[in-house]
Amino acid sequence: DSGVTQTPKHLITATGQRVTLRCSPRSGDLSVYWYQQSLDQGLQFLIQYYNGEERAKGNILERFSAQQFPDLHSELNLSSLELGDSALYFCASSVEIATGRDQQYFGPGTRLTVT
Amino acid sequence: DAKTTQPPSMDCAEGRAANLPCNHSTISGNEYVYWYRQIHSQGPQYIIHGLKNNETNEMASLIITEDRKSSTLILPHATLRDTAVYYCIVRANRDNYGQNFVFGPGTRLSVLP
Repeated sequence: DSGVTQTPKHLITATGQRVTLRCSPRSGDLSVYWYQQSLDQGLQFLIQYYNGEERAKGNILERFSAQQFPDLHSELNLSSLELGDSALYFCASSVEIATGRDQQYFGPGTRLTVT
Repeated sequence: DAKTTQPPSMDCAEGRAANLPCNHSTISGNEYVYWYRQIHSQGPQYIIHGLKNNETNEMASLIITEDRKSSTLILPHATLRDTAVYYCIVRANRDNYGQNFVFGPGTRLSVLP
C-alpha cells in the first residue's frame, strides 16, 4: 500500500459525458502527478501540481483539467468523453520536487470505461 | 521520448538473482536513474534511484557504471511475485518546473518456478 488513494476504482460512462477522478496523496506529500495508461500507449504523464500550483504539463488534452486543493487532494476532470479516453488513470505523489527526494508513489488507479 | 533503452523481456529462475540492464548513454551530469516496476495493472511501484554511486535498499541494488552510461537493477533472490514490467527512467532534479517522468516500454521480467 503506497498511501496514495484514488476514487473511484472503476467508472463506466457514456461518450460525451464528464467525470471527476479524485486523488489523496500520501500524508506530507506536496506534489501530485496524474498519468494515463491505455493498452496501446503505455504510461503517459498528464500534469503535475505542487502545493496547489501547476508545475508541469504533459500530453493532457484540452478536454481534461485538474486542480489541487488546499488540503492537497487533487481532482482530474475529464469532459466530452470519447471511446479513446478509456484507460487506467493513476495519481502519484512525492514529498518534494527537484531535490533527489521526489520519487513518486502511485495510487491503485481508476479504470475508466467509456461506452 | 524516453532517454533509456531496455530489453523488452527477460526470464529469471525463482531464487536466482535477476539482473535488469538499462542503457542511458546520453545521461547528463545532473540526471538521476530511477527504477519502477508495475505488476499487472497495479500502480507503478518505486524501487530505487541513484545519481552515480551504487545504491541498495530492502528491495534491490542499483549498480551504475563509472561513466554513468548504463546501469543494472539487481533483485538478489527473485520470487514469483517479482514478475512485472520494470521501468528505468532518467530524470534531472535541477529545477522545479517541467520535470516529469517519461516511462518507456520497460522490461517484462518473468520469474519462472
